[in-house]
Amino acid sequence: KAGVTQTPRYLIKTRGQQVTLSCSPISGHRSVSWYQQTPGQGLQFLFEYFSETQRNKGNFPGRFSGRQFSNSRSEMNVSTLELGDSALYLCASTLQSSGYGSSYEQYFGPGTRLTVT
Amino acid sequence: KNQVEQSPQSLIILEGKNCTLQCNYTVSPFSNLRWYKQDTGRGPVSLTIMTFSENTKSNGRYTATLDADTKQSSLHITASQLSDSASYICVVSANTGGFKTIFGAGTRLFVKA
Repeated sequence: KAGVTQTPRYLIKTRGQQVTLSCSPISGHRSVSWYQQTPGQGLQFLFEYFSETQRNKGNFPGRFSGRQFSNSRSEMNVSTLELGDSALYLCASTLQSSGYGSSYEQYFGPGTRLTVT
Repeated sequence: KNQVEQSPQSLIILEGKNCTLQCNYTVSPFSNLRWYKQDTGRGPVSLTIMTFSENTKSNGRYTATLDADTKQSSLHITASQLSDSASYICVVSANTGGFKTIFGAGTRLFVKA
């Protein structure tokens, strides 16, 4: 069974631009969560999508948005990029929604390394 | 305040030795605790998941323990290998009727030959 895939793996953008990252979950998984990882802040939860609906959201500004398609693939968009958005963006897929602290196994993709100059 | 604190921040051990990583949390009400291994430049990989009723769980050379009373967990690595060099992240989820997951900052483990 193929794992979680993320594209692109590396990306360089300039301040003010926008970027779209893509995540394909494991086949059959309906939940996709997005995380930002930086050396200073560690892993931080962005949002979770389940059955094309945003189920949970972390404490990030509205410049960060996402969506999920009927095939469970998900995209994350960051508008008006800032230098501080440089990070590793990880997505993770789960069979069911991660809400209510469920114990479903969560599988992470390799991440997209975004550099904003 | 919900927090997850890991110690030590980093650790260097010789190949073949054992080590124990610590995780203390104040997340409440507790739902589950996960340990992840993350190699540099890659996504985290789940090692163990423990719920309130579980106090130990093993995955090969990795053994996690949980004391829900003292809100402490440990990850014990036996007979370390060079490939164990990675960051180990403790993640605690709360069952609040809504989603709450708190990540620890991780312990960076270096295994030397």
